[in-house]
Amino acid sequence: AQSVTQLDSQVPVFEEAPVELRCNYSSSVSVYLFWYVQYPNQGLQLLLKYLSGSTLVKGINGFEAEFNKSQTSFHLRKPSVHISDTAEYFCAVSFSNDYKLSFGAGTTVTVRA
Amino acid sequence: GAVVSQHPSRVICKSGTSVKIECRSLDFQATTMFWYRQFPKQSLMLMATSNEGSKATYEQGVEKDKFLINHASLTLSTLTVTSAHPEDSSFYICSALDWYNEQFFGPGTRLTVL
Repeated sequence: AQSVTQLDSQVPVFEEAPVELRCNYSSSVSVYLFWYVQYPNQGLQLLLKYLSGSTLVKGINGFEAEFNKSQTSFHLRKPSVHISDTAEYFCAVSFSNDYKLSFGAGTTVTVRA
Repeated sequence: GAVVSQHPSRVICKSGTSVKIECRSLDFQATTMFWYRQFPKQSLMLMATSNEGSKATYEQGVEKDKFLINHASLTLSTLTVTSAHPEDSSFYICSALDWYNEQFFGPGTRLTVL
């Protein structure tokens, strides 16, 4: 079965500390991978995506993610977070070429001073 | 980047009434739009795929007669929640696929059914 799992529901982190948000997927076919950020009562904003090519993907706001095919993972990292990074983060996977997205349950990141 | 709008941003209605939510791609044409539903503190669940000029494709478990989708033009898709009930209260988000098959999300519509 195809699925997306975000391993951490909540991640508290201090300002200027690094953060890693974990995402694993299960699929028997090739996938496209995405990370989105959602601020309260807003839609989703694309942070980065992996379609093909280099497995290390750099996105906006200093975020990056690495696609690991053998571990079926696509973890998101930022070396130094800001208060403004407090938000909900969603990993999403497209399992087919119809561009439908399956979302993980989300990870709430709370950055404290 | 491309912009997708939704209207209204918030709506409160009485049980039994119908509510229409609009999703517009403002600076690009979208033959395909998606409708998602998000419950508080939960993830997005795909409800249906809206295709311009043809019938929408609904995900398993989504009542097509309850959630009417119309994609009448390349920039507009509408979702009508018919005979709304309190359990339909949710955050509804649309997205639109551009020519490069990148998905852009609207800001969402908060529906509260009393």
